[in-house]
Amino acid sequence: DSGVTQTPKHLITATGQRVTLRCSPRSGDLSVYWYQQSLDQGLQFLIQYYNGEERAKGNILERFSAQQFPDLHSELNLSSLELGDSALYFCASSVGRGNQPQHFGDGTRLSIL
Amino acid sequence: GESVGLHLPTLSVQEGDNSIINCAYSNSASDYFIWYKQESGKGPQFIIDIRSNMDKRQGQRVTVLLNKTVKHLSLQIAATQPGDSAVYFCAESPAGTALIFGKGTTLSVSS
Repeated sequence: DSGVTQTPKHLITATGQRVTLRCSPRSGDLSVYWYQQSLDQGLQFLIQYYNGEERAKGNILERFSAQQFPDLHSELNLSSLELGDSALYFCASSVGRGNQPQHFGDGTRLSIL
Repeated sequence: GESVGLHLPTLSVQEGDNSIINCAYSNSASDYFIWYKQESGKGPQFIIDIRSNMDKRQGQRVTVLLNKTVKHLSLQIAATQPGDSAVYFCAESPAGTALIFGKGTTLSVSS
């Protein structure tokens, strides 16, 4: 058990809809990272928050947004969903800003019908 | 033991053999590297990390080797067990933030 909790485990929705994925980091970790894993693209970094502030941005679409709350949990919002957004979405956390092990949750599997 | 030179998507070994999984990284500025193990239905699990000021680091049954000259990373697993069957990913960090993941290698261990 990594200590990172993601909910829900599975999400099935339709094109055009909006969903919110939630992540609780390990106790004491200040950074939260979001990754997308698809069969053709592998694991891709989306965005990082450190202590409530956005720290780094990767290949995150404009239709996607995230935030980290004062209690350090994070949410990833995906809107105007397309079939190609079907993937596993992982959250990871680390103690500091970077160059440390990132510990991953078990992901949310998003299926767009 | 069984090993691969360049990255191959799959590696099959017998229980008890030593396994070597290779990874070529892309960014000369990367100064931190991690190996992860991912089992079906689970998130990536941290195995071992190494910083660029080292060329070798050992853990329990695992060793990571770093060759910065040719931008190559390898993971050695001693006495491979069926429970080691999983997909293994290397990841690099060029700027102290995001991890850039390589293509995974599926390790299959038969008993």
